[in-house]
Amino acid sequence: DIVLTQAPLSVSVTPGESASISCRSSKSLLSSKGITSLYWYLQRPGKSPQLLIYQMSNLASGVPDRFSSSGSETDFTLKISKVETEDVGVYYCGHRLEYPLTFGSGTKLEIK
Amino acid sequence: EVQLVESGGGLVQPGASLKLSCVASGFTFSDYWMSWVRQTPGKTMEWIGDIKYDGSYTNYAPSLKNRFTISRDNAKSTLYLQMSNVRSEDTATYYCTIGAFITTVPFDYWGQGVMVTVSS
Repeated sequence: DIVLTQAPLSVSVTPGESASISCRSSKSLLSSKGITSLYWYLQRPGKSPQLLIYQMSNLASGVPDRFSSSGSETDFTLKISKVETEDVGVYYCGHRLEYPLTFGSGTKLEIK
Repeated sequence: EVQLVESGGGLVQPGASLKLSCVASGFTFSDYWMSWVRQTPGKTMEWIGDIKYDGSYTNYAPSLKNRFTISRDNAKSTLYLQMSNVRSEDTATYYCTIGAFITTVPFDYWGQGVMVTVSS
């Protein structure tokens, strides 16, 4: 199985500042079609997860452009610019390269 | 509006069976692969498996394939998860999900989740 390792476990950010979350894969997530199969989700408190980023760097519909993601075949970074209070929650990376799909352990973002 | 509504959770004894349901609306259910994902009390996210749009093919997490079965009834727009011989480690919130693409645009939705507690 592909192991996704997220860091840090939690991050505390002042509103208006930036935050970065790392996700490292045990295997290249670059598919034979040239697509990097890395996804980012946000689970706000008491809510279901929602898709933020798909195929490593594409913003899902309705996601503000304060969110961005980049990386290589195995190392990825989610960056949140100008953090707002609504960004509070747990961020998960996940892949869809092959079965079984797996997720990172999550990074909790809190506001200072 | 796309809706995925899970039901059937609750308190169940170790070794028992339980069947979860997920009623879908707002899209053509029979066009899409559907999945189940669970989240433990410690917030660990685990993919359980998925089922092809016509129900003819399923994939499972290796650790669960001997005890969990995914099925669907397209006439009722309903997805199912049959859990057997449940264990304490199956205690989790179970989500019905769809993670597809319409051409290049993601079609990604999660239900509100249903809690399952395995305890004697």
